[in-house]
Amino acid sequence: DIQLTQSPSSMSASLGDRVSLTCQSSQDIGNFLSWYQHKPGKPPKPVIFYATNLADGVPSRFSGSRSGSDYSLTISSLESEDTAIYYCLQYDASPYTFGAGTKLELK
Amino acid sequence: QVKLLQSGAALVKPGASVKMSCKTSGYTFTDYWVNWVKQSHGKSLEWVGEIYPNRGSTKFNEKFKGKATLTVDQSTSTAYMELSRLTSEDSAMYYCTRRQYRYNYFDFWGQGVMVTVSS
Repeated sequence: DIQLTQSPSSMSASLGDRVSLTCQSSQDIGNFLSWYQHKPGKPPKPVIFYATNLADGVPSRFSGSRSGSDYSLTISSLESEDTAIYYCLQYDASPYTFGAGTKLELK
Repeated sequence: QVKLLQSGAALVKPGASVKMSCKTSGYTFTDYWVNWVKQSHGKSLEWVGEIYPNRGSTKFNEKFKGKATLTVDQSTSTAYMELSRLTSEDSAMYYCTRRQYRYNYFDFWGQGVMVTVSS
């Protein structure tokens, strides 16, 4: 199975900070990597799809990038509503797998 | 607009089965794969499997073969997942999602069903 390693597992940042979360794949998955924002009591919400594309309705402060097997989700200026757990998902090879998540909190 | 509405929470006894529903609306049901995702308490997300409503084709995570059964009712645009021989390990939140086929990501999610296995 393809392993997705997310780092850090948790982090805290201040309002307005630039925040970057990473997801490393154990195998080549091309661009079939998506990111989801998960808040308590709600279903996960897509943020980035196909590695670099912004999902519908997501603020432009979010962006995705790829360098080889390393994928990043960046928030250019952190807002309070961005606190959540962020998961990456690979949908290239079955079984499709999620990373363990990064918990993002406000400092 | 696209919606996926899941059935309510379930409390079931060990060894029993539970069948949950995911009623879709706002799009052509037979055009998109419906996926199911499990989240145990305090843990990450886990892909269970998916079904293509057009043909009833299914794909499963090997871990859930024999545990989960996926079906659809085209007449009501509803997908179902049945979990059998339940144990405490099956206690979790289960989400249905729609897979956007071109870029392979989950673009719409149901609100989730909490399944609790307890005697």
